[in-house]
Amino acid sequence: EAQVTQNPRYLITVTGKKLTVTCSQNMNHEYMSWYRQDPGLGLRQIYYSMNVEVTDKGDVPEGYKVSRKEKRNFPLILESPSPNQTSLYFCASSLLGLTEAFFGQGTRLTVV
Amino acid sequence: TQLLEQSPQFLSIQEGENLTVYCNSSSVFSSLQWYRQEPGEGPVLLVTVVTGGEVKKLKRLTFQFGDARKDSSLHITAAQPGDTGLYLCAGNPGGTSYGKLTFGQGTILTVHP
Repeated sequence: EAQVTQNPRYLITVTGKKLTVTCSQNMNHEYMSWYRQDPGLGLRQIYYSMNVEVTDKGDVPEGYKVSRKEKRNFPLILESPSPNQTSLYFCASSLLGLTEAFFGQGTRLTVV
Repeated sequence: TQLLEQSPQFLSIQEGENLTVYCNSSSVFSSLQWYRQEPGEGPVLLVTVVTGGEVKKLKRLTFQFGDARKDSSLHITAAQPGDTGLYLCAGNPGGTSYGKLTFGQGTILTVHP
């Protein structure tokens, strides 16, 4: 089954404790992207990757890091999480940037 | 950053009514997508429009891309309770920002039986 898998689905952590949210897709897509969703703000793009070893900033990259060492994986790293990063995070992939994006089921992160 | 303004933010209607959701920007987009999202799930693509003036139909849903590619609309005819959800528009600026995707704030639609 074609899918984008995010882990974990739920995470509660403390300020400053480094964390990684994993994202994996099994559709051989070149393009992957991370978003955060906050009430009233829609989805905002954090980082995107057009292919392996190619990443670029979206609209809200501050406080986040990504890497794309393999085509299927695109982890999101929060080196020092802060409470304002409490949000619902989505990973997405597509064959090319403009084709249908397949989204993961989301990771709800709470930073206390 | 290019912005997409979606309106209305909330829409509560009775089954059988028609409705229109608008997505507007002062910037030009090379393409625009509409997604639907249900609680606890990621967004699911409904349609992509790429040509100014383009109209696409998906059963009771009609999507239009403005002639100048700065705005789009989603019209639902005879809404049903199963149409309830969050509707999002998303635009791609193209050019050197090919990989960027900007979303509107979303429209929460509730269709009452």
